Amino acid sequence: ELKVEQNPLFLSMQEGKNYTIYCNYSTTSDRLYWYRQDPGKSLESLFVLLSNGAVKQEGRLMASLDTKARLSTLHITAAVHDLSATYFCAVDPFQGAQKLVFGQGTRLTINP
Amino acid sequence: NAGVTQTPKFQVLKTGQSMTLQCAQDMNHEYMSWYRQDPGMGLRLIHYSVGAGITDQGEVPNGYNVSRSTTEDFPLRLLSAAPSQTSVYFCASSPGGLGELFFGEGSRLTVL
Repeated sequence: ELKVEQNPLFLSMQEGKNYTIYCNYSTTSDRLYWYRQDPGKSLESLFVLLSNGAVKQEGRLMASLDTKARLSTLHITAAVHDLSATYFCAVDPFQGAQKLVFGQGTRLTINP
Repeated sequence: NAGVTQTPKFQVLKTGQSMTLQCAQDMNHEYMSWYRQDPGMGLRLIHYSVGAGITDQGEVPNGYNVSRSTTEDFPLRLLSAAPSQTSVYFCASSPGGLGELFFGEGSRLTVL
């Protein structure tokens, strides 16, 4: 059974701190997606990682992919309150079929 | 540019009733899909389509029907609603290949 597991599921941190969200998956996938969801809202695409060793950065967020370890990380640098949201990773194990399998989500709360 | 449009945004049903969630996209995407989101479980794929006239089941298809008569529209039908179908439903579209999914705003369904 394909599993996508995020760690931690809940994270409360202070502004200015750094932290990392981990996404492990149990089957081969050459692409991984990160999404952000604000409460009661839709999902917003953050990153699409398409190869081993891929690293992408946008503002205070940086995502990386290690396909051999089946691990992706989302690193938050000097967190600010506006980054409070739920973050999901997802894999596409069917190689482009767009049948994504999502992790449980990490609810991130950043306190002033 | 409307993107992915879902209607209704909120719906309350009684057990046994049927209804259709509408989804339309104006990006000429071939791939469309329906996910449900339940607390602590991320998003799970219900049905998806790779083009007009082609549909297939996802992880949790029971109790749902889909059809894809046009590229733009991908309605989800609940045949006989059950309380277990209380959830938030998201429609998504994608150009396929290495593209990301674009999500609608979601439809919150409560089955009493």
